[in-house]
Parts: sequence; structure tokens; C-alpha cells
Amino acid sequence: EIVMTQSPATLSVSPGERATLSCRASQSVSGNLAWYQQKPGQAPRLLIYGASTRATGIPARFSGSGSGTEFTLTISSLQSEDFAVYYCQQYDNWPPLTFGGGTKVEIK
Amino acid sequence: QVQLQESGPGLVKPSETLSLTCAVSGYSISSGYYWGWIRQPPGKGLEWIGVIYHSGTTYDNPSLKSRVSISVDTSKNQFSLKLSSVTAADTAVYYCARKYGSGSVVAFDIWGQGTMVTVSS
Repeated sequence: EIVMTQSPATLSVSPGERATLSCRASQSVSGNLAWYQQKPGQAPRLLIYGASTRATGIPARFSGSGSGTEFTLTISSLQSEDFAVYYCQQYDNWPPLTFGGGTKVEIK
Repeated sequence: QVQLQESGPGLVKPSETLSLTCAVSGYSISSGYYWGWIRQPPGKGLEWIGVIYHSGTTYDNPSLKSRVSISVDTSKNQFSLKLSSVTAADTAVYYCARKYGSGSVVAFDIWGQGTMVTVSS
């Protein structure tokens, strides 16, 4: 099973600033990585797949990069609605599909 | 648009079987796509349970030790989850979701609102 590790667990950022979230895989997943955003009481929302392709309707301030074992989700200028928990998920070698533990982006 | 809605008991006794259904509207399951279940214990992260294709092919999480059964009912346009021998560790919000597209991307782009299931006597 591929283990996904996200860092940091919590990221404190001021509105308008850039946020950089990391996701590391225990072995290479090539570019087979997705990112989700989850707000309290809501289902996750797909942001990125293929490590860098934005899903339908996702604003351009969200960008993904990386391949192999190291991935990054960048939010270029945080808006109030972006404060949430973010999860990465690999789909290179499954079953099982595996998620990272999440990064909470909170208001500084 | 495509919508998913989970339903089932909110309370299940230990050692019994958890049963949930996901009703799909706005799309015919028999037309394709993989349909999945994901859960989230209170205050914790996401855990993938399994997926089913409209033809009935399934894949599930080995960590659940063969307690999972996923089925599809195309006549009712819904799919279901059964998880046997539940314990308190199975207490979670259970989500149903649709896999994105028909290609190699195995991510979930449409989700139900989730349903909380508590395992307790």
C-alpha cells in the first residue's frame, strides 16, 4: 500500500498570501495524484487530478505540480473561501486508493 | 446535473452489518462510470472503501478484510454498500461518489452529502 504524507498538518496564512501544501508518496505514483478541498460539514471537492490539471470550475489560483513522490498544491492568493482542509490522493497503484492525512489551511 | 444521495440507518450495533444505499439522479448508472464509497471517521481523514462499475466489477480496500460488499442495481439507478461485523472503529461519515471520467484517472468528482453512521449498542 502506498502511504501518502502531507505537510504541514496546519498552515496559517493571511488572506491574499500564497499557500504551499506538500504531499509525499512512499513510492513513485508518477503523475497519478489528485487534490481535494473539504470545508466543515461538506463533502470533499475535487480540485486537481493528474498532479496538475484543474478540475472543471476550479479557479486558476489553484495549481498543482510535482511527479514521482513529491507534489505541491499552491494557492496563489488565498481568498476567504479557501480556508479548509486539503487532501491528496494517489491512484497510481490501487487498490487501495490512498489519501494523505490532510493539511488544514487556517486564517493567520 | 448528476446528484448522489446516501441513505441508511444512522445507528448500527456492534457485530452487525452496516447497509447503505446511494441513489443517483441525473445520470443512468448503466451508461458507465465507476461508483465508489469513501468514509471519514469523526475529526479524521478520508479512507477509501471500494468502487463498482456498472457491470458489477468491484474493487475494495484490503484493509477492510473482506467485510465489504458493493453492489449495483441499475433498475433503481443506485448502488449499495454492506460492511459486516462492524465495530466502533467503523463509526464515520460515509460518502458515495462518482469516479471522474472513463479513463485512467481514479479520482472522485461528484460526491453525495455524506451520512453519519454510528456503531454502538
